[in-house]
Amino acid sequence: EAGVAQSPRYKIIEKRQSVAFWCNPISGHATLYWYQQILGQGPKLLIQFQNNGVVDDSQLPKDRFSAERLKGVDSTLKIQPAKLEDSAVYLCASSAGLAKNIQYFGAGTRLSVL
Amino acid sequence: GESVGLHLPTLSVQEGDNSIINCAYSNSASDYFIWYKQESGKGPQFIIDIRSNMDKRQGQRVTVLLNKTVKHLSLQIAATQPGDSAVYFCAEPSGPDAGGTSYGKLTFGQGTILTVHP
Repeated sequence: EAGVAQSPRYKIIEKRQSVAFWCNPISGHATLYWYQQILGQGPKLLIQFQNNGVVDDSQLPKDRFSAERLKGVDSTLKIQPAKLEDSAVYLCASSAGLAKNIQYFGAGTRLSVL
Repeated sequence: GESVGLHLPTLSVQEGDNSIINCAYSNSASDYFIWYKQESGKGPQFIIDIRSNMDKRQGQRVTVLLNKTVKHLSLQIAATQPGDSAVYFCAEPSGPDAGGTSYGKLTFGQGTILTVHP
């Protein structure tokens, strides 16, 4: 079974530029999560989708971050404009919706904002 | 707010030794915990979980112990190998739909860095 796919693996941009990350969850997984992991910390949830609907986006900085999962499968996370403090690893995870919160993570996208 | 936290940020052991990684939680209503392993350059990987109606759960070379009285859980790794070197996180579901379903977000602790020396 293929795991959660993310691209790109690395991205370097200057502040005030925009950037987008892509995630393809495990086939059949209804729930998709985007986490931000700052160096030395645990992942922090940004947004959670159930199929193509948003379940929780309370910690998403909506003035600059946006995410969508139009067809209930792939998802994109966008930052516009980026700030220095957005430098982090952005992790995508998915779960089947039946298991007890066992979320399967992708390798992440490491973003550096200069 | 509720959180999970770790006592020790780093742990260094010799190959073959047993490792114990600790985690404290603050929400006495928490009923489900998960341990994840994160190797360098990779996403967190599920190791083992435990529900609050259990005190102990064993997997392959790993055991999780839950002490609800002092709100503490630990991950024990037997015969630690160099491949076990990673950051270990305990995590719990939180949010309005938490409570054992798959719809709750996970709140992660800071993590413990385990280094295994050959």
